[in-house]
Amino acid sequence: SQQGEEDPQALSIQEGENATMNCSYKTSINNLQWYRQNSGRGLVHLILIRSNEREKHSGRLRVTLDTSKKSSSLLITASRAADTASYFCATDAPGRRALTFGSGTRLQVQP
Amino acid sequence: GAGVSQSPSNKVTEKGKDVELRCDPISGHTALYWYRQSLGQGLEFLIYFQGNSAPDKSGLPSDRFSAERTGGSVSTLTIQRTQQEDSAVYLCASSSTVNTEAFFGQGTRLTVV
Repeated sequence: SQQGEEDPQALSIQEGENATMNCSYKTSINNLQWYRQNSGRGLVHLILIRSNEREKHSGRLRVTLDTSKKSSSLLITASRAADTASYFCATDAPGRRALTFGSGTRLQVQP
Repeated sequence: GAGVSQSPSNKVTEKGKDVELRCDPISGHTALYWYRQSLGQGLEFLIYFQGNSAPDKSGLPSDRFSAERTGGSVSTLTIQRTQQEDSAVYLCASSSTVNTEAFFGQGTRLTVV
């Protein structure tokens, strides 16, 4: 079963707008990571946030983590057409030996 | 190599045939993962190798699936007697230590006809 579930499943916005994607998970975690996937092939790591962190920034990306609600959000500011991709959260849970991925959010940024 | 390399990039096989998928991880990475992704879906965990420890095979969907990692480097995922439901993109990833940033290959798209 999926540890992480993203919502929305699909998101369409105009270039320049902000995009927010959410991830919920079920068990305690060591860290949570966000990945990007273009065209259904390899995933690219975007950012990792540890369980004792609440917010992290990287360029136009902002990630928050609320361990009490078992949820995380990924905000992409000032979106560009090149941000069009699928975005996945992945959790590292104690006792598990591999990252568990959610079902992803498909983001479409209209030029 | 500079990144994780997977081969072949595409494979079409007839139902009932065996296939081997190869993954060459980043040099020095001790952790290696195999995932499967069906069209439009998330990643399904298959198997995980960490150093010399016994692999975690808990995600393998049936005994037709097996994997090995030779010399702590290259890994091969073997699917015996392929079925149409095995059609998917098979992704390999490696990381320097367990569950830190994972680097993915471009995947092998398997089509069983």
